[in-house]
Amino acid sequence: AQSVTQLGSHVSVSEGALVLLRCNYSSSVPPYLFWYVQYPNQGLQLLLKYTSAATLVKGINGFEAEFKKSETSFHLTKPSAHMRDAAEYFCAVRVPYGGSQGNLIFGKGTKLSVKP
Amino acid sequence: NAGVTQTPKFQVLKTGQSMTLQCAQDMNHEYMSWYRQDPGMGLRLIHYSVGAGITDQGEVPNGYNVSRSTTEDFPLRLLSAAPSQTSVYFCASSYPLRGGRTGELFFGEGSRLTVL
Repeated sequence: AQSVTQLGSHVSVSEGALVLLRCNYSSSVPPYLFWYVQYPNQGLQLLLKYTSAATLVKGINGFEAEFKKSETSFHLTKPSAHMRDAAEYFCAVRVPYGGSQGNLIFGKGTKLSVKP
Repeated sequence: NAGVTQTPKFQVLKTGQSMTLQCAQDMNHEYMSWYRQDPGMGLRLIHYSVGAGITDQGEVPNGYNVSRSTTEDFPLRLLSAAPSQTSVYFCASSYPLRGGRTGELFFGEGSRLTVL
């Protein structure tokens, strides 16, 4: 069965500092991996996705993530945090085939705070 | 571009009442799903559908019913509301995982339900 673990329910950084949000996955087959962002009182918006092409994936708003099979990780990074990055971030894994293919399994989320 | 539309956005129910959360998408997506979001729990899958006439249970299906009579609509029914069903509910849809598609989910804005 697939699962996702996000390390750290809250992360706080200063404006301009590096953002690192951690995600580890468990999957018996090569997965599809996603990062979503949720701003307060809004739905989830796709930041980026990994689909077995390039291991370094670039997304919107300056975010990127690197797929590391040996570490079963898909950490999200941004070189310089901005106040508008304050939100909750979710990592998700999807099985690319099988009876329940199509279901995304989400991590519990990481709330990012950005201090001025 | 409407995307995924959920109604109502807010609802307050008394214990034992029933109601239906509506979800409609205009992207001709075969796959639709319902999640609930609770603090510290991430998003948990309630029910999903891979096409009209086909539904299946997710991780937390108890107390909820769904049906899929058309490609566009996927209503979620609460038969007898309980305080434990107080949550934010998200409907999401995607293309099927074939033809090179990667299956990212498109989310509605959410429906906030309070059961007293």
